[in-house]
Parts: sequence; structure tokens; C-alpha cells
Amino acid sequence: EVQLVESGGDLVQPGRSLSLSCAASGFTFDDYAMHWVRQAPGKGLEWVSGISWNSGSIGYADSVKGRFTISRDNAKNSLYLQMSSLRAEDTAFYYCAKGSSGSILRSRFNWGQGTLVTVSS
Amino acid sequence: DIQMTQSPSSLSASVGDRVTITCQASQDISNYLNWYQQKPGKAPKLLIYDASNLETGVPSRFSGSGSGTDFTVTISSLQPEDIATYYCQQYDNLPLTFGGGTKVEIK
Repeated sequence: EVQLVESGGDLVQPGRSLSLSCAASGFTFDDYAMHWVRQAPGKGLEWVSGISWNSGSIGYADSVKGRFTISRDNAKNSLYLQMSSLRAEDTAFYYCAKGSSGSILRSRFNWGQGTLVTVSS
Repeated sequence: DIQMTQSPSSLSASVGDRVTITCQASQDISNYLNWYQQKPGKAPKLLIYDASNLETGVPSRFSGSGSGTDFTVTISSLQPEDIATYYCQQYDNLPLTFGGGTKVEIK
């Protein structure tokens, strides 16, 4: 069974940085692309970033490009999101999601349970 | 970016009713479309992939259709456990984009 467990969500001040992690199990991690998707409280879903199986292809939403960095460690079955210059509008539940192939483009998602990031002074 | 427009944004129907939600893409996405169900306080769950393929374990009362720019998901007989918000998502092009969601309630 696919299990994705996010951690690292916290209350952080605007302009500060925060790092999220996702521990994966129940599948061969280095066969699949991985993604971060977020959802502001009471709002819809927004894809944030994706990384291919070998980190050779990475994509970002325009709203986070230049501020967020996705990475993975296949030896540790882990996905990461380094977030900097955080803004109030980054407040959201952040979901780790498994893709359905090694490519970030052809992806349907299996989802973790999410971790809450709150950006506020 | 490919815009995904869902309608309606909410609906109220009776148990046993047939319910249809539509999703329109701003350009041709072939059949590169997924549907997700999100219950309150929970993570989304994949219902349908490649526009019309039912995910394993999803009840057969759910079905999906469409290609190109126009897609639908249908619940043939609405059940109380289907109360949720439904989202479409395209994966033809980056950035991957979602529709705004359709909230389904029981009348």
C-alpha cells in the first residue's frame, strides 16, 4: 500500500524559510515522479512542483518559481520542498503526491494526508 | 497555461439521482484528464484517470467521458457517501492545472 507522510508544516513569519519532507513507502520510490500540491484553507487545489524519477526534469508553478526548490533522495525514499521568501498567500495544506510514471507530465496522483503551512506575523 | 473550467461550482441532488459534472479545458488535452474526490477534512482521492478509466476500488456508479476540451464525470445513482468536492486535472502540459471544484450536497 502506498504511504506518503508529510512533515515540517509550521507557523512561520513572512519572508522566512521552511522545509517540508515526505517519507514514502509501499512502492519503488525511484520508479516514479513525485509532486507537491497545495490547498489554501477552503480553496481549490494548486500544483506547486514536480520532479521526475531521477531528478532530471523539474517543474514549478509560476507562483513559486524562484522561491521554492523541490528535491528528492531516492536512497532515503524521501521528497523535499525548500520554501523561501514565504508570503501570506503561501498559507495552505501541502500534499505530497506520487505520480503514475517516471515523468512529471503524465501524472495522476496518489496523495499523502498533508501538512499545514501558515505564513503570518 | 491550460485553464480548466468546472461547472456547476455546487449542486444539490437527492439520493438516487443521476449527477453530472462538466470540465472544459482551454485547449485540446486529448484524454489527459483525471478526476478526484475530496471529502471534508481529507486528502483528495483519484476516481478516474485518462478521462474514462475507473481507478481500482471506485464504485461502478462513477463514470467519466470526453476528449479534446470537454469532459464529464457522472454518478449514476447518488449515495450519501458521495458527498464531497470533485476536481478535474489536466496532465497534458505543465503547469499541471485543476478545475475550481464542484461541491456535491444531498438535497
